[in-house]
Amino acid sequence: AQRVTQPEKLLSVFKGAPVELKCNYSYSGSPELFWYVQYSRQRLQLLLRHISRESIKGFTADLNKGETSFHLKKPFAQEEDSAMYYCALSGNAGNMLTFGGGTRLMVKP
Amino acid sequence: DTGVSQNPRHKITKRGQNVTFRCDPISEHNRLYWYRQTLGQGPEFLTYFQNEAQLEKSRLLSDRFSAERPKGSFSTLEIQRTEQGDSAMYLCASSLEVRIQFFGPGTRLTVL
Repeated sequence: AQRVTQPEKLLSVFKGAPVELKCNYSYSGSPELFWYVQYSRQRLQLLLRHISRESIKGFTADLNKGETSFHLKKPFAQEEDSAMYYCALSGNAGNMLTFGGGTRLMVKP
Repeated sequence: DTGVSQNPRHKITKRGQNVTFRCDPISEHNRLYWYRQTLGQGPEFLTYFQNEAQLEKSRLLSDRFSAERPKGSFSTLEIQRTEQGDSAMYLCASSLEVRIQFFGPGTRLTVL
């Protein structure tokens, strides 16, 4: 079974502060992990995926298989980062995404 | 707009009525997915198609839910005899093979 857990429903930080959104998963095979973001009144969109190993909008995420985690990090939060963030997992078949419950990030001025 | 589109964007219905939602994927995408999202939760997978074939439907919530993609292009999701618990956002996504899924804006269903 696939499971994704995002322990924080809400994370509130000040502009310029570091941000870490936590994501833990359980899956017996080799998963592919994603972070999706939903800005206010917009559709869900891909932020980054672990196999790309790239930084998007200053965000990075490293897959830690030992800790089964895929935490999202940004060293200096901006107000425009305020959004809902969802961690998602795709298993070997690649035919479905399992999402966590989401974390609302609020960046205060 | 070449993204995934969904219609209607909002649907209000009375309990016991049938509803049908439509999803138009990105044109070259052969895979199409349906998800449901309830308040405060992440999207929950329902079913998916590769071209016109429905390859996974065990996650559909009950036999009142059905989906079709008759010509491998647009898809419809039907809910028969709606219940108040069916109130949710219904999301459609598409992808080219098993690559990145692109989501539509969703259809918000309210069952009175």
